[in-house]
Formats: sequence, C-alpha cells, structure tokens
Amino acid sequence: ETGVTQTPRHLVMGMTNKKSLKCEQHLGHNAMYWYKQSAKKPLELMFVYNFKEQTENNSVPSRFSPECPNSSHLFLHLHTLQPEDSALYLCASSQGRESYNEQFFGPGTRLTVL
Amino acid sequence: GQNIDQPTEMTATEGAIVQINCTYQTSGFNGLFWYQQHAGEAPTFLSYNVLDGLEEKGRFSSFLSRSKGYSYLLLKELQMKDSASYLCAVSDSNYQLIWGAGTKLIIKP
Repeated sequence: ETGVTQTPRHLVMGMTNKKSLKCEQHLGHNAMYWYKQSAKKPLELMFVYNFKEQTENNSVPSRFSPECPNSSHLFLHLHTLQPEDSALYLCASSQGRESYNEQFFGPGTRLTVL
Repeated sequence: GQNIDQPTEMTATEGAIVQINCTYQTSGFNGLFWYQQHAGEAPTFLSYNVLDGLEEKGRFSSFLSRSKGYSYLLLKELQMKDSASYLCAVSDSNYQLIWGAGTKLIIKP
C-alpha cells in the first residue's frame, strides 16, 4: 500500500448507529487531517493532528470523535449522527504543518446517514 | 471573515486554453495552493505559490498577486482528462488551509 488509504469507501448508517472511519498513511508524514466535503461547498477542516497531538478542532459537534494512536493512523468515531452529516469525509496527511507542505488526500469515505 | 471565491463552473474546448480565477480574503497569507479533483476521487496537488509571479509546470501554470489577493490557474492544450474540479486554497496566519468551493471544468470535444 502506498499513499493515504481510507476504509470503508462507502458507509450507510442509521442515526442511532456507532461506526468508525479509518485512515492510514504510508508516507512517513507527521500531520494528519480530517475534512468534510459536501456538494458545492468548500472543504471543511474538522480536526488536525501533528505528531499525534490534536492541534485544531474547528467547532465540530461532539458526535464526531477523532483518535490518533500514532502518526500513521487516524480514526473518526461516529455516533448519533444526523442526516445533514451525510458527506464525503476525506483524510489527508502532510510532512508538517508548515505552509509549504502539500497535503496528500485519501480517496474518502462516502457517508450516508438515514 | 475569511473567503475564497472562484467560479462555480467553466466550459472549454479540447486543445484550447482556459484560465480559472481565484480571489481571496484571509487573515494572513502563507501561500496559495491549487488542487485537482476528478469526480469521485481524492484531490491531488497541482501547484503552490507564495511569491508574486507565474509558476509554470508543463501544461499548467499558476499566477499569484498578493497585493490584489488574486491567483489564477492556466491550463493549456486542454485534454478531455482535464475535466475535473479545481480547488483553490490559501494557507492563513495559522497555517490552516482555507478552501474555495471549487471550479468544475467541463471540456468539450
């Protein structure tokens, strides 16, 4: 495996379910990100981890809970979601948080909340 | 507030040239990125500008004017595979990327 991988690629869940999204990067990067992408809207940064420490939480509802056990893995735990949470969830990584570091994205998880 | 503006959709002809504009208002500036995103796929990096001027990379070029808060992405010799969304993003004073909504580029034969 190379680059940034995400599982599952598609997820359908009810509002009372609990599920987790997984991201893994094989690039030796130190920073990892969760984004939400909704149709015709800008990418919304949700969480940032740098060297396994959470550095940003952009006012994300508590029904989304991130976990970063090491610099290669990132999880997004989901519980009691709402239909408006349906979107593409993208994971990304970069060498560091400095501006010149391009972010490498995974293919995303298409989430549908019923 | 912080804002990135780019056209929602553009159409161009195969073999032609197209320019996608991006204007921004952010708290601080640490560089501007362009990404390409094909439908159903991950965004992929195209270019990074931090100084004024034109950066050329094959068929793609990116221009930046910091005083005007303006950038453009220039695509030459358009190919059908260039049909995609093009995302403009600015790194602000906290090194957080502020994203535009993307420009969907449709290439016609």
